[in-house]
Amino acid sequence: KQEVTQIPAALSVPEGENLVLNCSFTDSAIYNLQWFRQDPGKGLTSLLLIQSSQREQTSGRLNASLDKSSGRSTLYIAASQPGDSATYLCAVKIIQGAQKLVFGQGTRLTINP
Amino acid sequence: DAGVIQSPRHEVTEMGQEVTLRCKPISGHDYLFWYRQTMMRGLELLIYFNNNVPIDDSGMPEDRFSAKMPNASFSTLKIQPSEPRDSAVYFCASTPLPSTDTQYFGPGTRLTVL
Repeated sequence: KQEVTQIPAALSVPEGENLVLNCSFTDSAIYNLQWFRQDPGKGLTSLLLIQSSQREQTSGRLNASLDKSSGRSTLYIAASQPGDSATYLCAVKIIQGAQKLVFGQGTRLTINP
Repeated sequence: DAGVIQSPRHEVTEMGQEVTLRCKPISGHDYLFWYRQTMMRGLELLIYFNNNVPIDDSGMPEDRFSAKMPNASFSTLKIQPSEPRDSAVYFCASTPLPSTDTQYFGPGTRLTVL
């Protein structure tokens, strides 16, 4: 059974710092991995999607990497801003069985002005 | 496009009552997913549809939960009878093709069962 773990559960950093969020998964048989952002009381917004054949994806100040063999992904946020404060979730799309995403519990990120 | 639309946004009901949550997916998306989010269990898939047909309902917690998709633009998740442990945020999401495309989430329905 695929399990996704995100560490740390919460992170607080001063504005302007570069930071890394971690995601690990137990089964390397995945179609893709996605990073989502969730603001309080809101739905999830997809930030980056990495196909299993890719190593990384970039969007603005965000860079996500994928290492299938080690079952790890990282989300790098450059020059953090208070507006980046949110919960970040990673999810893997499993190959076997149903077409579904398996989510981590998320990292709650706070950027202090 | 307006995105995935869910209603109501908030629902407060008493134990034993029937609850119906509604979802309108993005036009043209063939897959629709219902999720539940709680502090204890995180985000869990309940059921998903492909072209209005339920494909996997293994995440539905028990027979009190049922979901339908009568047409490509509407789905319901019903809980009957509701219990306090059903209190959660319920999300609907849709996607054109899950193996390569992202899922687009609605804003969620916050359900409180007293």
